Amino acid sequence: DTGVSQDPRHKITKRGQNVTFRCDPISEHNRLYWYRQTLGQGPEFLTYFQNEAQLEKSRLLSDRFSAERPKGSFSTLEIQRTEQGDSAMYLCASSPDYRRDTQYFGPGTRLTVL
Amino acid sequence: AQTVTQSQPEMSVQEAETVTLSCTYDTSESDYYLFWYKQPPSRQMILVIRQEAYKQQNATENRFSVNFQKAAKSFSLKISDSQLGDAAMYFCAFYRGMSGGSNYKLTFGKGTLLTVNP
Repeated sequence: DTGVSQDPRHKITKRGQNVTFRCDPISEHNRLYWYRQTLGQGPEFLTYFQNEAQLEKSRLLSDRFSAERPKGSFSTLEIQRTEQGDSAMYLCASSPDYRRDTQYFGPGTRLTVL
Repeated sequence: AQTVTQSQPEMSVQEAETVTLSCTYDTSESDYYLFWYKQPPSRQMILVIRQEAYKQQNATENRFSVNFQKAAKSFSLKISDSQLGDAAMYFCAFYRGMSGGSNYKLTFGKGTLLTVNP
């Protein structure tokens, strides 16, 4: 059983550029989550999908952030006009319907905005 | 809103010894779940242990066990026979149960960095 995968693992970009991250959840996990983790902090929730529907968004998710899960499988998180404050680890997690409370995390995408 | 507090930014333990990491939380909910996650340096977050709030029995997973004190809102993690591979950042996390309505996120503490000395 493969775990949650994320791509890329590292991304360096210049301020003002757009970036897109991909997450592939564990097969048959209907629930998918995005979190952001900055240095020395625990992960903070960004958004949640149940199948293809985005059901919850944190106020941390500004207008420059958008997330999709078009076919209820993989998800993408796009950040437009990146700012230095966007530098963080972006974590994806998934959980199954039968145990929705238990989230399994991917390795994360580390974003550095110069 | 729920909050999770880990009051120990760093802890250290000798190999083969036992260490306890502390976590307290604040909630008005009665139905919830608590977790400990481990995040080794530059590696992904791994689930260590899960506790259902309605269960009085403390969860155990091999060398890992918890002391869940619901009234005190305390959820500590005990690692027995510590190994070098246990060195990591440990996060305590809270999840509101189904009776709490639509809430899907984990709320994390700031973490405790555990060092294991040989």
